[in-house]
Amino acid sequence: QKEVEQNSGPLSVPEGAIASLNCTYSDRGSQSFFWYRQYSGKSPELIMFIYSNGDKEDGRFTAQLNKASQYVSLLIRDSQPSDSATYLCAVNYAGDGNKLVFGAGTILRVKS
Amino acid sequence: DAGVIQSPRHEVTEMGQEVTLRCKPISGHDYLFWYRQTMMRGLELLIYFNNNVPIDDSGMPEDRFSAKMPNASFSTLKIQPSEPRDSAVYFCASTDWTGPTNYGYTFGSGTRLTVV
Repeated sequence: QKEVEQNSGPLSVPEGAIASLNCTYSDRGSQSFFWYRQYSGKSPELIMFIYSNGDKEDGRFTAQLNKASQYVSLLIRDSQPSDSATYLCAVNYAGDGNKLVFGAGTILRVKS
Repeated sequence: DAGVIQSPRHEVTEMGQEVTLRCKPISGHDYLFWYRQTMMRGLELLIYFNNNVPIDDSGMPEDRFSAKMPNASFSTLKIQPSEPRDSAVYFCASTDWTGPTNYGYTFGSGTRLTVV
């Protein structure tokens, strides 16, 4: 079982809709959760992080954590074509909190 | 700050040659990570340093790979000899694990390595 799993997609949504991205993780001791966006040919860019104590909203982005079920979600409201990218979920490795384990990423396509 | 700086951006080399990738972390960041990204395996952590000291190299694939950090502003990842299966994008990332807006890694632009 992979430590961080994501549906590879692509997830296609129309412009203006809500995009919902999910990731599951296997290590119950993980405390920090990150979402990175990666455009084709570019490096990953941090867009959101949350701790195990709560959800977080930042502009059009909301990150939610369900510790009991061990999954993290990212909601993108009012999706724009510029949101089209690969979204990587990362979780800190409980055995060494400095290490982030990345999922394979979900491709999001926002159609205008 | 200029961000994490990697060089070269692209490297094409012949099998068996030595390859050296370079990274300059963000000033003040005391953690530096080397990742490799491929379509098949995604982002894999190779090694990371704290205060210039290698902490975990369990992700280094084999003895052909080595990494050094001689000072706080410079790190290298060396592959000798290189093989076609080493072809990937190699990212360097750094962090100081502080700050409400930048908690997490900042990645460099990456080095796309092609071994023919």
